[in-house]
Amino acid sequence: EPEVTQTPSHQVTQMGQEVILRCVPISNHLYFYWYRQILGQKVEFLVSFYNNEISEKSEIFDDQFSVERPDGSNFTLKIRSTKLEDSAMYFCASTRGDYNEQFFGPGTRLTVL
Amino acid sequence: AQSVTQPDIHITVSEGASLELRCNYSYGATPYLFWYVQSPGQGLQLLLKYFSGDTLVQGIKGFEAEFKRSQSSFNLRKPSVHWSDAAEYFCAVGLYSGGGADGLTFGKGTHLIIQP
Repeated sequence: EPEVTQTPSHQVTQMGQEVILRCVPISNHLYFYWYRQILGQKVEFLVSFYNNEISEKSEIFDDQFSVERPDGSNFTLKIRSTKLEDSAMYFCASTRGDYNEQFFGPGTRLTVL
Repeated sequence: AQSVTQPDIHITVSEGASLELRCNYSYGATPYLFWYVQSPGQGLQLLLKYFSGDTLVQGIKGFEAEFKRSQSSFNLRKPSVHWSDAAEYFCAVGLYSGGGADGLTFGKGTHLIIQP
């Protein structure tokens, strides 16, 4: 069964460093998403992406964040200058576009020191 | 803005007993409703979804949920829980705007503990 994959599973970085989180969505899906979950809290929507551009973003997704689909398979989330409060689990999701059934990846745990 | 409320932070149930997890939403339009489960250290797995039609929906692992428009609720039920059901359960809502690009709004989750 096709699934969303994410790499790395755990990323540790120093405050102020740039990180790139990678995702490979399900191959025939058209809409891609990033969510984050701070430890012990709810899952929060960051951004959605369709047709090579951002469709929707939350107030969390400020200028420090960017997304890209550099090729036909990868979908990346970049954080330009990480802060301690960026420490969270980051989930990628994708959908074909009908009825918003989103399939989630296993997540990348980002730890900012 | 839409919101999702899961009023129970923790629920403890004996193995073999029935389960009901509550979810209420606040939304201007008819939402699309989901229940996801998250085991420790794992990602989110879709249990079931409601888009339209029959308000009682069946999902995986023996779960079901009932959409009640009048109560703005989408409660998750299981007639007999197993120890492997211990996990975090998230209710989520989305708005289908015809493009499929809408982000989901999640509740804070309910932590289910199974007693032997």
